[in-house]
Amino acid sequence: DSGVTQTPKHLITATGQRVTLRCSPRSGDLSVYWYQQSLDQGLQFLIQYYNGEERAKGNILERFSAQQFPDLHSELNLSSLELGDSALYFCASSVAGTGASFFETQYFGPGTRLLVL
Amino acid sequence: DAKTTQPTSMDCAEGRAANLPCNHSTISGNEYVYWYRQIHSQGPQYIIHGLKNNETNEMASLIITEDRKSSTLILPHATLRDTAVYYCIVRGVDQTGANNLFFGTGTRLTVIP
Repeated sequence: DSGVTQTPKHLITATGQRVTLRCSPRSGDLSVYWYQQSLDQGLQFLIQYYNGEERAKGNILERFSAQQFPDLHSELNLSSLELGDSALYFCASSVAGTGASFFETQYFGPGTRLLVL
Repeated sequence: DAKTTQPTSMDCAEGRAANLPCNHSTISGNEYVYWYRQIHSQGPQYIIHGLKNNETNEMASLIITEDRKSSTLILPHATLRDTAVYYCIVRGVDQTGANNLFFGTGTRLTVIP
């Protein structure tokens, strides 16, 4: 158990819909990361938040957005869903993630499996 | 960040040492070598990391060559539960504060009874 929790575990929805995935980081961790893992793309970095602010952006679609709240939990919002958005979505956290002096270890949650029909 | 090359798959007999190689010939001086593994659709799990020196923890050992162009992850006594995809990741410090990981295709290790 990494200490990172994600809800829901599974989500089934239809094309065109909007869903919200939730992540609670490890106690004390300030940074949250979102990754997408689909069959044909492998693990892809989407976005990083540090203490409520966006820190880095990866291959995140405009239909997707995220935020980190004052209690440090994060939500990933996926809208206008398409069949190709079906994937595992992982959240990870690290202590600071500032990149100032070292590269931090990230701890991953169990993921949310999204199926778009 | 430097690119890594890993074999697509490997087999290892249960109880034997599993040696997983990784080439990172373009690694620069401030880049770390990280190893994660992913057991069948679970979240990736941190194993070990190193910069120059060999490292050992309760899960594995990491051997980095003197020129740092390659490394080997060693699982000393592989068990069936070590069957997973192992990712070798080279990542440096990013002054913008970005700390994300770049996963490649990894090595699928199968531990055989």
